[in-house]
Amino acid sequence: QLQVQESGPGLVKPSETLSLTCTVSGGSLNSNSFYWAWIRQSPGRGLEWIGTIHYSGSTYDNPSLKSRATISIDTSKNQLSLNLTSVTAADTAVYFCANQWLVRGWFDPWGQGTLVTVSS
Amino acid sequence: EIVMTQSPATLSVSPGERATLSCRASQSVSHNLAWYQQKPGQAPRLLIYGASTRATGIPARFSGSGSGTEFTLTISSLQSEDFAVYYCQQYDNWPLAFGQGTKVEIK
Repeated sequence: QLQVQESGPGLVKPSETLSLTCTVSGGSLNSNSFYWAWIRQSPGRGLEWIGTIHYSGSTYDNPSLKSRATISIDTSKNQLSLNLTSVTAADTAVYFCANQWLVRGWFDPWGQGTLVTVSS
Repeated sequence: EIVMTQSPATLSVSPGERATLSCRASQSVSHNLAWYQQKPGQAPRLLIYGASTRATGIPARFSGSGSGTEFTLTISSLQSEDFAVYYCQQYDNWPLAFGQGTKVEIK
């Protein structure tokens, strides 16, 4: 059964870059669907889709993040990564990785999420 | 950008009763809508996709309906494990978007 797990620093300073990794186990990045997504959740913004990457490396991102988010994939490690630049307190959230069905689709399964706090 | 609006924000229901949750899209999303359940400290869990198709392992008491801009999630007889927050999500167009959630609480 496909499982996903996010990892990364829990605290990032303002103006720095947030970097997270998602590791897929019980299958590979081309299992189920070929698409993978990052989603975040905060009390102020609710659930917010950050972006999606295809197994081939094609990406789609949310314009609300103004090109600050970069998603990449490492098929040799069965991992995908998220870099979010120039963070502010508004980027404090729980960050989830999820398998996305179809180029525009639903998310299943999700990782458990990792809390990232932006603070000096 | 499509905006998803859920109502009510909170729904108080007694165990065994029916719960009806609504989700409205600011423009048509056809049948491209999913529903999720989230419990405290957990990730959202997929319940429904394609507006009405139950995900694997989801009990039959959960049903989804609607198309276009109006959607409904119905829980026919609430069990104790169903008290949670429910979100809808459209995937008809970019950017993918979620509603703000409906909390189903014990009455």
